[in-house]
Amino acid sequence: SYVLTQPPSVSVAPGQTARMTCGGNNIGGKSVHWYQQKSGQAPVLVVYEDSDRPSGIPERFSGSNSDNTATLAISRVEAGDEADYYCQVWDRSRDRLEFGGGTKLTVL
Amino acid sequence: QVQLVESGGGLVKPGGSLRLSCAVSGFSITDYYISWIRRAPGKGLEWLSYISSSGTDTNHADSVKGRFTISRDTAKNSVYLQMNSLRAEDMAVYYCARERRLGSPYLDNWGQGTLVTVSS
Repeated sequence: SYVLTQPPSVSVAPGQTARMTCGGNNIGGKSVHWYQQKSGQAPVLVVYEDSDRPSGIPERFSGSNSDNTATLAISRVEAGDEADYYCQVWDRSRDRLEFGGGTKLTVL
Repeated sequence: QVQLVESGGGLVKPGGSLRLSCAVSGFSITDYYISWIRRAPGKGLEWLSYISSSGTDTNHADSVKGRFTISRDTAKNSVYLQMNSLRAEDMAVYYCARERRLGSPYLDNWGQGTLVTVSS
């Protein structure tokens, strides 16, 4: 299966920019999607197809993808952004969705 | 509006069975793929299964293949996950989600989840 690697945790002060990475072999050749899951809640799609935002998601959320790393950036971080963030790709050969292990974002 | 509501979770003994339901409103399951995903305690999200919009195609993760089966009832606009031979490691919150398949698939709407506890 296609392996996605995310750092377990990222910490950032309020007002700063948080960057969370998602590593995979030539991931730049795939479309990457990102989900936010707050404690006790269902996941929410925050970025799809590398860099598009669903309606209702603030412009502070942005995504990029190149070579072996995709990145989700959250600018002007707020306490309410504290959550687990997951990247996801499609393993076309097996027609399955693959998730990274998730990154816990802590707002200091 | 789009809504997915899971039900059917609960406490089951190892080796037992459960059937989870996902009641959909705001769209037709004949127009979208539906997936099941779970999150076990202390772990991340794990995709389990999908059923296609036509209902003719399904797929399951290796971890549940042969034990879990996805199905649907178009009259009830609902999708199901039959779980047999349950193990301790199947204990998790189970979510259903709508899958967008315009290009690379992603999950744009999720239910709130239902908890499955496997314990003797």
